[in-house]
Amino acid sequence: DGGITQSPKYLFRKEGQNVTLSCEQNLNHDAMYWYRQDPGQGLRLIYYSQIVNDFQKGDIAEGYSVSREKKESFPLTVTSAQKNPTAFYLCASSIVSSGRSTGELFFGEGSRLTVL
Amino acid sequence: QKEVEQDPGPLSVPEGAIVSLNCTYSNSAFQYFMWYRQYSRKGPELLMYTYSSGNKEDGRFTAQVDKSSKYISLFIRDSQPSDSATYLCAMRGEYNFNKFYFGSGTKLNVKP
Repeated sequence: DGGITQSPKYLFRKEGQNVTLSCEQNLNHDAMYWYRQDPGQGLRLIYYSQIVNDFQKGDIAEGYSVSREKKESFPLTVTSAQKNPTAFYLCASSIVSSGRSTGELFFGEGSRLTVL
Repeated sequence: QKEVEQDPGPLSVPEGAIVSLNCTYSNSAFQYFMWYRQYSRKGPELLMYTYSSGNKEDGRFTAQVDKSSKYISLFIRDSQPSDSATYLCAMRGEYNFNKFYFGSGTKLNVKP
């Protein structure tokens, strides 16, 4: 079954620690994204990547970092510089054809990060 | 003003009712429109996807886009308790593949 796998589902972090959230997709999608979801707010884009070894900052990139070494994988690191990291993190992907996305965005099941 | 406005609800209906969920938007360049269903502590699931104006039907779900009014709707017929979830609308323009604009979600509760 094709899809997007995020791990871990739940993660607890002490203040000052970096943590890495995993995102793997087997949909053969070119573009991958990380969003943050907070109660009562729309999804906010952290980073996105259209191709391997290239990624761009989204609206709230400060305190986060990513890598895209393989087409299937787009891990997100939440660094100690992120002041309010407790949130629900969603990885997503979409098809890109001729440099343009077809429009549909598919999501993983999410990772809930709690800072203690 | 937000790019996409969506009433947060909660919306509570009896089982079997027709549900109408709506979003308004301000950017006339939006061309792709999506509706997602999100259960608690889960990722959003794509329900409906339309390009430009018009209607699209899939089972009990109908999506409508009225670009002249900048208004999109999702109708759910014969609603079921399993439809209880948060519904998110999303949209984007023709060329900026990375810029998806989301509503904040409407929480729906279908009572047995």
